[in-house]
Amino acid sequence: EVQLLESGGGLAQPGGSLRLSCTASRFTFSTYVLSWVRQAPGKGLEWVSAIAGRSDSTYYADSVKGRFTISRDNSKNTLYLQMDSLRPEDTAVYYCVKGSSGARPYYFDFWGQGTLVTVSS
Amino acid sequence: EVMLTQSPGTLSLSPGERATLSCRASQSVSSSYLAWYQQKPGQAPRLLIYGASSRATGIPDRISGSGSGADFTLTISSLEPEDFAVYYCQEYGNSRTFGQGTKVEIK
Repeated sequence: EVQLLESGGGLAQPGGSLRLSCTASRFTFSTYVLSWVRQAPGKGLEWVSAIAGRSDSTYYADSVKGRFTISRDNSKNTLYLQMDSLRPEDTAVYYCVKGSSGARPYYFDFWGQGTLVTVSS
Repeated sequence: EVMLTQSPGTLSLSPGERATLSCRASQSVSSSYLAWYQQKPGQAPRLLIYGASSRATGIPDRISGSGSGADFTLTISSLEPEDFAVYYCQEYGNSRTFGQGTKVEIK
C-alpha cells in the first residue's frame, strides 16, 4: 500500500522557519498531485498547499501564501514544505497527502501519519 | 470559495443504530466532487467516499454516501464500535474546502 512518511516537525519561534519533508513509496510518485493538509490542536482539517506532478503548478491557501513554499524532488520521491515567517497560528499537525490523480479534480486518497509543528517563544 | 456546513456537530448513538450525517455546501458542487473522510483520535484521516457516493477501497458497505447539488449525506446503516470517530466532508472540484466535522460518539 502507499506509504507517506513526514519528518521535520518540531518547535520553532515566531518569525522562524522549518522545512518539512515527506518520503513516499509504493506508487508512481511523479504522476500524482501531492498536498499538505494541517490540523491545529483540537480543530478541523485545513488544506495548505498542493503541487502538480511535474512541479509546474503550485497552489496555496490564503493563510500561508507568501510564507510557505511547496516543492518536490521526483528523483527522490520526496515532497517538501518550506515554512518561513512562522506564526503561532501555524501550530498544527501537518499531513502529507496524495491526490487521486495528476490534475484537478482530485480527492485525497492516502495520508501520512503527520508531523507536529509548534510555533512558540 | 465553496463553504461546507456539517450537521449535527455531535451525534450520540449506540452500536447498531443508524447514523445520518449532513454536509451542506454554500453553492452547488460541480459533478458531485464531494468526499468524506473518517478520523479516529491520534490517527490520520482516512478516505471513505468520493464522487459523493463511491466507496474507497476496503470501506464496508454499511457506510454509504448520497446527495447532489448542495446537499450530501453520509449514512452508516448499523454502527460498529470502530465507527465512532469524527467525519469530515470535502469539496474537491473547486476549493478543496473541508467541513468542520461531525463527531459520532457512543451514547
